Amino acid sequence: QKEVEQNSGPLSVPEGAIASLNCTYSDRGSQSFFWYRQYSGKSPELIMFIYSNGDKEDGRFTAQLNKASQYVSLLIRDSQPSDSATYLCAVTGANNLFFGTGTRLTVIP
Amino acid sequence: DVKVTQSSRYLVKRTGEKVFLECVQDMDHENMFWYRQDPGLGLRLIYFSYDVKMKEKGDIPEGYSVSREKKERFSLILESASTNQTSMYLCASSRTGDNEQFFGPGTRLTVL
Repeated sequence: QKEVEQNSGPLSVPEGAIASLNCTYSDRGSQSFFWYRQYSGKSPELIMFIYSNGDKEDGRFTAQLNKASQYVSLLIRDSQPSDSATYLCAVTGANNLFFGTGTRLTVIP
Repeated sequence: DVKVTQSSRYLVKRTGEKVFLECVQDMDHENMFWYRQDPGLGLRLIYFSYDVKMKEKGDIPEGYSVSREKKERFSLILESASTNQTSMYLCASSRTGDNEQFFGPGTRLTVL
């Protein structure tokens, strides 16, 4: 079983809609959870992190964490074409981060 | 502003060549990481380092070695490049106690 699982997509949403990206993880001891955005041909950049159960909002982005279900999600409200990218979920391991394979999001104008 | 730089954006090498990939960070971070990224496989950790001259194997260290002689620099070495090492290589750094990793721009390596 992979440490971090994501639906690879592609996920297509119309401009202005809510995009929902999901991630599950296997290590119950994980404490920190990150969402990275990666544009095609570029390196990942951090957009959100969350440590506590519940929701964390930053502008159009909301991260949701449920440690009991070992589930973390990212909601993007009012999706824009510039949000089209691959979104990587990352979870802390013993000494480093475990990354999912990413979900490719396409926002259709 | 946080900065991680890698020596080359694109590199083409021949099978059997020794390849050096360099990574430099200017944030005084203790931790540095080398990943490779392949379609459908995501980011896979090759090696990481917590301190100068310290190194730890990641998930796929076979065929690679690393060197960290200075805090700001972390080198990835392919002793004898093979075609299955064709990939995007990403370097990252982080501060101890802070799991946020900052990535360099990546090196796309092609081994012919």
